[in-house]
Amino acid sequence: QKEVEQDPGPLSVPEGAIVSLNCTYSNSAFQYFMWYRQYSRKGPELLMYTYSSGNKEDGRFTAQVDKSSKYISLFIRDSQPSDSATYLCAMSTRMDTGRRALTFGSGTRLQVQP
Amino acid sequence: DARVTQTPRHKVTEMGQEVTMRCQPILGHNTVFWYRQTMMQGLELLAYFRNRAPLDDSGMPKDRFSAEMPDATLATLKIQPSEPRDSAVYFCASAPDRYEQYFGPGTRLTVT
Repeated sequence: QKEVEQDPGPLSVPEGAIVSLNCTYSNSAFQYFMWYRQYSRKGPELLMYTYSSGNKEDGRFTAQVDKSSKYISLFIRDSQPSDSATYLCAMSTRMDTGRRALTFGSGTRLQVQP
Repeated sequence: DARVTQTPRHKVTEMGQEVTMRCQPILGHNTVFWYRQTMMQGLELLAYFRNRAPLDDSGMPKDRFSAEMPDATLATLKIQPSEPRDSAVYFCASAPDRYEQYFGPGTRLTVT
């Protein structure tokens, strides 16, 4: 069993829909949680970064962490065709995640239909 | 606009040949990562360096893969001999002393 599980999708939604993307994990030592967005044939780019449990909002994006359930979510409001990409969750036990390797989920492919 | 650059972007080679992939990290970033991405396994860490010193290469098949940082502006990943199962996209990422890792565009390797 992988440390981080993520449904590969694809998830297809109409433009304007609210999207919910999720990951579960098994390592209770994970404290730092990230969402990366990866467009086709590009490298991943950081979208959101959160620490421990709680919510963080940035524009149309909200990241939610529930450490008691070992479950994290990314919500996208008013989804746009430009949001079509693969979304990868990533986690670390340490804050200095730029100095340490991350554990990634396998990614969920999202398609937003115009 | 500082970016991680990787060369070549695409590589097709025959089984048994040596493959060398290069990465130029963002200037001033002291940590460099090599990842491999496949449909089946997702994004896997192969190795990473801090201040050019290898910190962890436990994700690499030691018999055929090697990673080096000859200087602060160049990281290399070599496969010798290459095998069809090595076909994947190889990403380099660099990071400053905080949380964000910046990924390059990747090298798409096909071994026939």
